[in-house]
Amino acid sequence: EAQVTQNPRYLITVTGKKLTVTCSQNMNHEYMSWYRQDPGLGLRQIYYSMNVEVTDKGDVPEGYKVSRKEKRNFPLILESPSPNQTSLYFCASSWDASYGYTFGSGTRLTVV
Amino acid sequence: GENVEQHPSTLSVQEGDSAVIKCTYSDSASNYFPWYKQELGKRPQLIIDIRSNVGEKKDQRIAVTLNKTAKHFSLHITETQPEDSAVYFCAASIGNNAGNMLTFGGGTRLMVKP
Repeated sequence: EAQVTQNPRYLITVTGKKLTVTCSQNMNHEYMSWYRQDPGLGLRQIYYSMNVEVTDKGDVPEGYKVSRKEKRNFPLILESPSPNQTSLYFCASSWDASYGYTFGSGTRLTVV
Repeated sequence: GENVEQHPSTLSVQEGDSAVIKCTYSDSASNYFPWYKQELGKRPQLIIDIRSNVGEKKDQRIAVTLNKTAKHFSLHITETQPEDSAVYFCAASIGNNAGNMLTFGGGTRLMVKP
């Protein structure tokens, strides 16, 4: 089944403790992206990647890192999480720039 | 960068009525406009999209229109059903080899009353 898989689905962590949210797609998509969703703010792009080793900042990249060492994987790294990063995170992938994204199931992160 | 505004933020209709959601965008270079539906607790799912070389596109009960001159596009849902209740997001992208920088509107919560 074609899908974007994120893990974990839920995560509660403490301020400053490094964490990684994994994302993997099995559709051989070139493009991958991370979004955060907050009430009243919609979906905001954090980082995106056009291919292996090619990444770029979205609208809200501060406090996040990404890497794209393999085509299928695009992990999101929070080196020192803070409470304002409490949010619902979605990973997504697409064939190319003119196709819509397929979203993962989401990761609900709480930083206390 | 691109800015996408979406209206209304909430919309309540009676089952069987039509619903219209409108979006405006700021970057005239944007050429790809998808619409997503997000049910409660679920991921956003692409329901329809339109590219800048087309003015209108239809898929059963949903249709999108695009006015490039005015920089606005709309989602039309006819004969609404309770299962259409969800949050709908519009988005815009320049969609070229520079990347897929998809910018979303703030969302519209559609409630269809039986």
